[in-house]
Amino acid sequence: GAVVSQHPSWVICKSGTSVKIECRSLDFQATTMFWYRQFPKQSLMLMATSNEGSKATYEQGVEKDKFLINHASLTLSTLTVTSAHPEDSSFYICSAGQSEAFFGQGTRLTVV
Amino acid sequence: GENVEQHPSTLSVQEGDSAVIKCTYSDSASNYFPWYKQELGKRPQLIIDIRSNVGEKKDQRIAVTLNKTAKHFSLHITETQPEDSAVYFCAATNYGQNFVFGPGTRLSVLP
Repeated sequence: GAVVSQHPSWVICKSGTSVKIECRSLDFQATTMFWYRQFPKQSLMLMATSNEGSKATYEQGVEKDKFLINHASLTLSTLTVTSAHPEDSSFYICSAGQSEAFFGQGTRLTVV
Repeated sequence: GENVEQHPSTLSVQEGDSAVIKCTYSDSASNYFPWYKQELGKRPQLIIDIRSNVGEKKDQRIAVTLNKTAKHFSLHITETQPEDSAVYFCAATNYGQNFVFGPGTRLSVLP
């Protein structure tokens, strides 16, 4: 099946710093990618839809200035958590694909 | 928009028994219903899916049934094994749109 690669798999950062997470579709082109956040023992919650060549669409309650999304090519979307705080600590996961959701490995972000 | 509910939230079964997880959805336009298995700290993995033109699909010990009229679909696992222990998520989508996930079911298979 199709492969979606996400990096890094885990990251620890200090409060106030920014963290960039990459999501790549390795063997197919993705005009749309999705970013989810998963808190412990909870489901995947859609944060935003990343659209190649245009602005991302954010879900209600997600701050677009805090979670910057860039979908500069058909195979790469990035999520940058700006001015990270401990409450941003979570498991972030991207997906791509239309007939099936192919997930990246996920990124466990810990803000200390 | 779509809303997906899932029950039960936790399920414990004895090894060899069957497990059933049920989901309901709200958007009649949804036409694709996948099930994902997620082990701790790992990405969700697709285990089976069903499209709206099919009522049932089976793959070895796993089956999914869909009732479009009632807007519910179920995952059935037979002859459960310890390695089936994980969190299972159902999802619903209108082809090409984002996937809306249920809250998940934590399945524990007791040896």
